[in-house]
Amino acid sequence: AIRMTQSPSSFSASTGDRVTITCRASQGISSYLAWYQQKPGKAPKLLIYAASTLQSGVPSRFSGSGSGTDFTLTISCLQSEDFATYYCQQYYSYPITFGQGTRLEIK
Amino acid sequence: EVQLVESGGGLVQPGGSLRLSCAASGFTFSSYEMNWVRQAPGKGLEWVSYISSSGSTIYYADSVKGRFTISRDNAKNSLYLQMNSLRAEDTAVYYCARAVRYYDSSGYYGRYFDYWGQGTLVTVSS
Repeated sequence: AIRMTQSPSSFSASTGDRVTITCRASQGISSYLAWYQQKPGKAPKLLIYAASTLQSGVPSRFSGSGSGTDFTLTISCLQSEDFATYYCQQYYSYPITFGQGTRLEIK
Repeated sequence: EVQLVESGGGLVQPGGSLRLSCAASGFTFSSYEMNWVRQAPGKGLEWVSYISSSGSTIYYADSVKGRFTISRDNAKNSLYLQMNSLRAEDTAVYYCARAVRYYDSSGYYGRYFDYWGQGTLVTVSS
């Protein structure tokens, strides 16, 4: 199975900050990478697919980049509603695997 | 509006069985591949199982292979997960998720999840 490793596991930031989360795959997955946001007690929400394509309705302050094994999720100007846990997911092959998650907290 | 509503969760003893359901609405269910994903309390997301739109192709995570069975009834717009020989480590919120194919320029494709249900909690404990 392809292993997905996110960093950091958690960190604190302030409203208005620019933040970047990284995700590394244990083998090349081309652009078959999605990012999800999850808030406590809620289902995950798709933010980005194909490594850099914004899902309809997702604010443009979210962006993704990368290909192969290294990927990033960037939030350009943090809003209060962005404090949540973020997961990357590879869908290059089954079993589909997720990163361990990055918890973004308010500083 | 796309809606996925899971049901059937609850408390079950180790070794017991449970059947989860996922009712779909707001889209042509028979045209979409579906998945089950679970999340243990305080933990990350774990993919569990996949079923093709017709039900002819099925995949399982190694952790549930031989114990869980995924199925669907396109006439009823419903997805199911039959869980047998349950263990404490199966305790989790179970989500159904709709899959969308993404094709690259070579024609190869993968499937990401664009809609998720709200989840149903399964607790395995004596």
